[in-house]
Amino acid sequence: SAVISQKPSRDICQRGTSLTIQCQVDSQVTMMFWYRQQPGQSLTLIATANQGSEATYESGFVIDKFPISRPNLTFSTLTVSNMSPEDSSIYLCSVEDRDSGGELFFGEGSRLTVL
Amino acid sequence: TQLLEQSPQFLSIQEGENLTVYCNSSSVFSSLQWYRQEPGEGPVLLVTVVTGGEVKKLKRLTFQFGDARKDSSLHITAAQPGDTGLYLCAMSNFNKFYFGSGTKLNVKP
Repeated sequence: SAVISQKPSRDICQRGTSLTIQCQVDSQVTMMFWYRQQPGQSLTLIATANQGSEATYESGFVIDKFPISRPNLTFSTLTVSNMSPEDSSIYLCSVEDRDSGGELFFGEGSRLTVL
Repeated sequence: TQLLEQSPQFLSIQEGENLTVYCNSSSVFSSLQWYRQEPGEGPVLLVTVVTGGEVKKLKRLTFQFGDARKDSSLHITAAQPGDTGLYLCAMSNFNKFYFGSGTKLNVKP
């Protein structure tokens, strides 16, 4: 299993500003995933972050808007840049534990509100 | 476009009733997972199904993988308020995980 800590758990931000979300895992993992979720709705994959290489983004998400860092095997950050109210959402960090048969473990999420 | 379509989208039932949630796609999967998410938390894995036609039971929950590995179902017997949550199916494709559209279940006491 993996224990994931995300910071901040929630924040209220002004339009046009940027916010960086941190994700810390208690074990070394190869792949980390960033998801976005509107309350009560499903998860949409933003990007996959591998240590030592650039993140790969899903259709509809771009690096300029959601830059990601992955400096080591236990840590990653996601920045939401130049925020607008449409960016208000829950952002979740996730890792795959292949020792558990490919199970995904999630942080508790970062609830972002943009005014 | 959602790769995985779930139905129903919402379900509100009384304690003790049975229910079934469906997950469908036009694609064939090597495996499919079911997760449950409670408010303020991340999704938690319930089960992984791998073989076409496979049936797995987890207490009052029964999971089935379609013979063609393109669909799955989750059946809950005698639902309890503790079953309330968002149920998500998920598939892996090229080491990435994509989630279904979700079914929000509310079990009233």
